[in-house]
Amino acid sequence: QSALTQPASVSGSPGQSITISCTGTSSDIGGYNYVSWYQQHPGKAPKLMIYDVTYRPSGVSNRFSGSKSGNTASLTISGLQAEDEADYYCISYTASVTVVFGGGTKVTVL
Amino acid sequence: QLQLQESGPGLVKPSETLSLTCTVSGGSISSDTYFWGWIRQPPGKGLEWIGTIYYSGTTYYNSSLKSRVTMSVDTPKNQFSLKLNSVTAADTAVYYCARQSWASMAAPFDYWGQGTLVTVSS
Repeated sequence: QSALTQPASVSGSPGQSITISCTGTSSDIGGYNYVSWYQQHPGKAPKLMIYDVTYRPSGVSNRFSGSKSGNTASLTISGLQAEDEADYYCISYTASVTVVFGGGTKVTVL
Repeated sequence: QLQLQESGPGLVKPSETLSLTCTVSGGSISSDTYFWGWIRQPPGKGLEWIGTIYYSGTTYYNSSLKSRVTMSVDTPKNQFSLKLNSVTAADTAVYYCARQSWASMAAPFDYWGQGTLVTVSS
């Protein structure tokens, strides 16, 4: 199972919106609405930000939103803040009844 | 509040077996509602799913690690464990245990342990 494809880095200024893409295949992202996104600050465990493509867990800011088109899922961060600077990972359920992570995207707030 | 805590040796010799335990507190591992998983992260690199286990003992493994991985549950102790044999330096990583929020491989990982660094070196 190959890792999902994410851009290595994305940057934006405070207040701006950025979008992180996560590209897979019809056997994972394209076949199911089971994509989740995680935020990871240095030295910390990942934190669930989005699940089932578009749903936010309780306590996660509504500045974070998810979407999907075909084999590509996306995470959008609106009103970018300094605290959003972190690594972000997507993960998808697969037709093999496993899960696969993306390679991760480093978000920099300029 | 659910908490997960990884424990085990921080240093393992090449060719030996890495053994880690995840202790769950604030909830029961015997619940039929959840799956429990292991994820690792080599230094400076991304996350990799290792495998998932249900309280009944049903397991799901990453195909790239399947030949070397064994996961088990100890319901009386509210723990689940990971064994990875024939380790090499490439297995050096922070190892996380986590809960999947319902009993399906499609479920997200909603609670995570703090992670434990395991170094493979002689």
